[in-house]
Amino acid sequence: QVQLVESGGGVVQPGRSLRLSCVASGFIFSTYAMHWVRQTPGKGLEWVAVISYDGTNKYYADSVKGRFTISRDNSENTLYLQMNSLRAEDTAVYYCPRSLGGNYFDAFAIWGQGTMVTVSS
Amino acid sequence: DIQMTQSPSTLSASVGDRVTITCRASQSISSWLAWYQQKPGKAPKLLIYKASSLESGVPSRFSGSGSGTEFTLTISSLQPDDFATYYCQHYNSWTFGQGTKVEIK
Repeated sequence: QVQLVESGGGVVQPGRSLRLSCVASGFIFSTYAMHWVRQTPGKGLEWVAVISYDGTNKYYADSVKGRFTISRDNSENTLYLQMNSLRAEDTAVYYCPRSLGGNYFDAFAIWGQGTMVTVSS
Repeated sequence: DIQMTQSPSTLSASVGDRVTITCRASQSISSWLAWYQQKPGKAPKLLIYKASSLESGVPSRFSGSGSGTEFTLTISSLQPDDFATYYCQHYNSWTFGQGTKVEIK
């Protein structure tokens, strides 16, 4: 069935780096835009980044621009989020939702279970 | 930047009630609006897209309406499984509202 599985979260010190992964299955990964969305514990949802189906277009939230990099490997059905210069305010559950259609201006139809990132000394 | 504002922040209701949640955009967003349901410890689930289109598999008691700057999500008869937090999203800017928690009265 259609599935997204995030991994790579953990506890990291401020200023350090972490790379999240999202493995897709059950659909043709290379035809869909993919996003990263985060949710601070007990708070709302914040969009983080998007990448087009072929990886040529990427957009970021202002809060992570210059620190985070979204990428994908369509041969491995995997989405990545490289997070550098981490801050305490980056602490959140990170999700990798798939767009409803192929376009990145679309609702988020499929979500993984999320992976928790804690930035703390 | 477009801001999405939901009201109320919390709503107390009983099983069988008709429930309406409002989402307002700071400028016109046509019909590029989605609604999601999220339960504690779970990922959000898409309910409605393009303001009023019901996602496959979502019960028909959920409906969405509106265009421009004002949108509503209606649950025609609240069921025990519907107690959750609901978010609107303008998906052309990927901006979410702050959420509305529907709790048991």
